[in-house]
Amino acid sequence: AQTVTQSQPEMSVQEAETVTLSCTYDTSESDYYLFWYKQPPSRQMILVIRQEAYKQQNATENRFSVNFQKAAKSFSLKISDSQLGDAAMYFCAYRSNFGNEKLTFGTGTRLTIIP
Amino acid sequence: ETGVTQSPTHLIKTRGQQVTLRCSSQSGHNTVSWYQQALGQGPQFIFQYYREEENGRGNFPPRFSGLQFPNYSSELNVNALELDDSALYLCASSLDKGARGANVLTFGAGSRLTVL
Repeated sequence: AQTVTQSQPEMSVQEAETVTLSCTYDTSESDYYLFWYKQPPSRQMILVIRQEAYKQQNATENRFSVNFQKAAKSFSLKISDSQLGDAAMYFCAYRSNFGNEKLTFGTGTRLTIIP
Repeated sequence: ETGVTQSPTHLIKTRGQQVTLRCSSQSGHNTVSWYQQALGQGPQFIFQYYREEENGRGNFPPRFSGLQFPNYSSELNVNALELDDSALYLCASSLDKGARGANVLTFGAGSRLTVL
């Protein structure tokens, strides 16, 4: 079974600075997707960024980018120019490309933005 | 384009009761998944429905059951409620997966269940 580990329960960053959230995962599969979701106090999970394991190039979405290290099974999220609206719980998630679309989530990192 | 809507947003039940949670999929989506998110934890996969059939189940007992209707809306039913069933229940919809698709799940805002 796949597992996802987020070892940072809480992180904080000054507004406009850069922060990196860590995620490691364990799988024996080679074809899968990785995701970062944001969950603000409104509770709705919002997709931040996704990475296909077959693609070596790291995904980027505006201020959000990932560092995907497949051999190390590491998938960190970098947020540049942090904004107050980035404050939320961030969850790393794994999805196999076989079978159903089950997501396996980590336990989350609470990100606080300091004005 | 409407998103995923869930009802009720909050509810309180007592141990042993039964509860039904409802979810309306995003327009055009035919796959629905349910997740349980306990306080301070990540969501845990309960099950998925595709075209009205269960298409995968997580490690949850049979008292957790579901339905998907022809309009792709869905229900989650939990019988014989236990205190540990207190959680946020999230519904997510998506298009069926293509050959190499990574269909994005669109989540609702959840139903917060408290079992006393």
